[in-house]
Amino acid sequence: DAKTTQPPSMDCAEGRAANLPCNHSTISGNEYVYWYRQIHSQGPQYIIHGLKNNETNEMASLIITEDRKSSTLILPHATLRDTAVYYCIVRVVGAAGNKLTFGGGTRVLVKP
Amino acid sequence: ETGVTQSPTHLIKTRGQQVTLRCSSQSGHNTVSWYQQALGQGPQFIFQYYREEENGRGNFPPRFSGLQFPNYSSELNVNALELDDSALYLCASSLQGGAYEQYFGPGTRLTVT
Repeated sequence: DAKTTQPPSMDCAEGRAANLPCNHSTISGNEYVYWYRQIHSQGPQYIIHGLKNNETNEMASLIITEDRKSSTLILPHATLRDTAVYYCIVRVVGAAGNKLTFGGGTRVLVKP
Repeated sequence: ETGVTQSPTHLIKTRGQQVTLRCSSQSGHNTVSWYQQALGQGPQFIFQYYREEENGRGNFPPRFSGLQFPNYSSELNVNALELDDSALYLCASSLQGGAYEQYFGPGTRLTVT
């Protein structure tokens, strides 16, 4: 699976949009981009995933560049409960197993 | 809430002992994956079970073993516990194949003294 690079930490203001970048310059054509978050001491929570088109759900939007070498997770209106570690993961789909390879993630602190 | 449950919540064991952790997958999911998360690090993939067989394994020694039952629930067994095995153990359930997302349980906190 391709490796990802994320900033180690970022702050954002409550009520504002939070834009979380992820670099995956070695991504292959059959690899999807997944985002998970982990609130302190809880299990990771699935947020969103995509292949090459932009995706949106009730939690967030995922913007993937045309060359697929980077992506941005957008939390449209950050709340204090969005404070968490956010993981960007790329995964081969179709290979045996559903292994997720977690990196260091981005520690997001939402401030009042 | 994901519908994935794990037991026990916390566990304290002594070095050299054996431990069994349990996971019940979300209804309809046929695949269970196990992860180890040391303090301050991201989760590391241990192995995955599909149709009661191991279907992928990370860089963990054979003393980490597992089972999956016909109802898709799963167990993680660790023999000859070492101090470095102290971690949060997470299980995740999903459907096999495709781009399906995994849903994680709350984890079991294992402390080895």
